[in-house]
Amino acid sequence: QVQLQESGPGLVKPSQTLSLTCTVSGGSVSSGTYYWGWIRQPAGKGLEWVGRVYTSGIHNYNPSLKSRVTISLDTSNNQVSLRMTSVTAADTAVYYCARVDYSNSNALDIWGQGTMVTISS
Amino acid sequence: DIVMTQSPDSLAVSLGERATINCKSSQSLLYNSNNKNYLAWYQHKPGQPPKLLIYWASTRESGVPDRFSGGGSATDFTLTISSLQAEDVAVYYCQQYYSSVTFGQGTTVEIK
Repeated sequence: QVQLQESGPGLVKPSQTLSLTCTVSGGSVSSGTYYWGWIRQPAGKGLEWVGRVYTSGIHNYNPSLKSRVTISLDTSNNQVSLRMTSVTAADTAVYYCARVDYSNSNALDIWGQGTMVTISS
Repeated sequence: DIVMTQSPDSLAVSLGERATINCKSSQSLLYNSNNKNYLAWYQHKPGQPPKLLIYWASTRESGVPDRFSGGGSATDFTLTISSLQAEDVAVYYCQQYYSSVTFGQGTTVEIK
């Protein structure tokens, strides 16, 4: 049973870099027909796609965030990392990681519980 | 980018009645080579992560009650809850995965 758990600092200062980790248990981040995505939800708003990384390491991002976001695999720790630079209050949100099996549903079938990130001085 | 637009933004339905949510995409989500619509539906309750209900526009995820059904093709899709239960109160999102990923703005379902 694959499970995902996000972690990271709950508070980040404006203009700094946000770093989050998604720890995967019950499966490998670097094998299989999967990709790992990050999705966020600002308070009172809807879901926003941040980007994804395939088990091969190939990644792509929401065009509106592309210049500030990096998503990568840490195979030694079986984790998926999100790095976002130059954050502002608009980046305050609950951040979720999720898995897609593109040989099956091709949809986000397993989600972490999410981690709240506040951008404030 | 493909824009997903849901309607209505919210709806209130009596227990046991039908709830229907619409989702329209700015371009076709039907991939001709496999005849599949690259659209999913999620249920999101407060304090929980979103839950996958439907994928390929009409395939129910394992364990999802059969009162949930998805329909439509190309640019127009629906999610129907045939007999609303109290536990179905949530926000529902459609999502396209034809080209990258985008979500609709969400539809809040409440009890009348």
